[in-house]
Amino acid sequence: SQWGEENLQALSIQEGEDVTMNCSYKTYTTVVHWYRQDSGRGPALIILIRSNEREKRSGRLRATLDTSSQSSSLSITAAQCEDTAVYFCATDISGGSNYKLTFGKGTLLTVTP
Amino acid sequence: DMKVTQMPRYLIKRMGENVLLECGQDMSHETMYWYRQDPGLGLQLIYISYDVDSNSEGDIPKGYRVSRKKREHFSLILDSAKTNQTSVYFCASLGGRAEQFFGPGTRLTVL
Repeated sequence: SQWGEENLQALSIQEGEDVTMNCSYKTYTTVVHWYRQDSGRGPALIILIRSNEREKRSGRLRATLDTSSQSSSLSITAAQCEDTAVYFCATDISGGSNYKLTFGKGTLLTVTP
Repeated sequence: DMKVTQMPRYLIKRMGENVLLECGQDMSHETMYWYRQDPGLGLQLIYISYDVDSNSEGDIPKGYRVSRKKREHFSLILDSAKTNQTSVYFCASLGGRAEQFFGPGTRLTVL
């Protein structure tokens, strides 16, 4: 899980495996963003899930959101080497009024051949 | 082509010197952000700008100030830089559907 006082987490898998990254958040939110950051680059949004969706898919990505447990997950199916990156979850704690995101510390995913 | 640019990409300064980091976007987005990212940590919000001359402190504004005189341009200023301000700084702009578009970052080293 990305939140709390823990440092950047690291996962290492082989190409073709499935992987799930978890995120728990402390403040009520209606939307969770998942960003991907490649080495030496800025983060980029890969999937956004709202509280009325529970699950959202985009290609090999699947995000879930459980507002009752204040948690979200991002799954990648059949991971490829190019999926190697840091993945952040982020929540909007402003209630949509001034759109301020709080980012988790991230999960470093390494996919090896 | 939607783009956020940052200049310079790399900067080395001595403690006590002034630092100017610049950010531009070509999407006419009203809201822009400055973050810093330290190793193993997530992004920490320094300032938000809602439009020209409409700026608000983020979570860690101490030691920083910002300037936004044109919608497409947002600057981060460090007056008398400190060694603990060594970091990677990211600028972002807020698009439709709540997506933040990030620049490539500026790696600042304060000696």
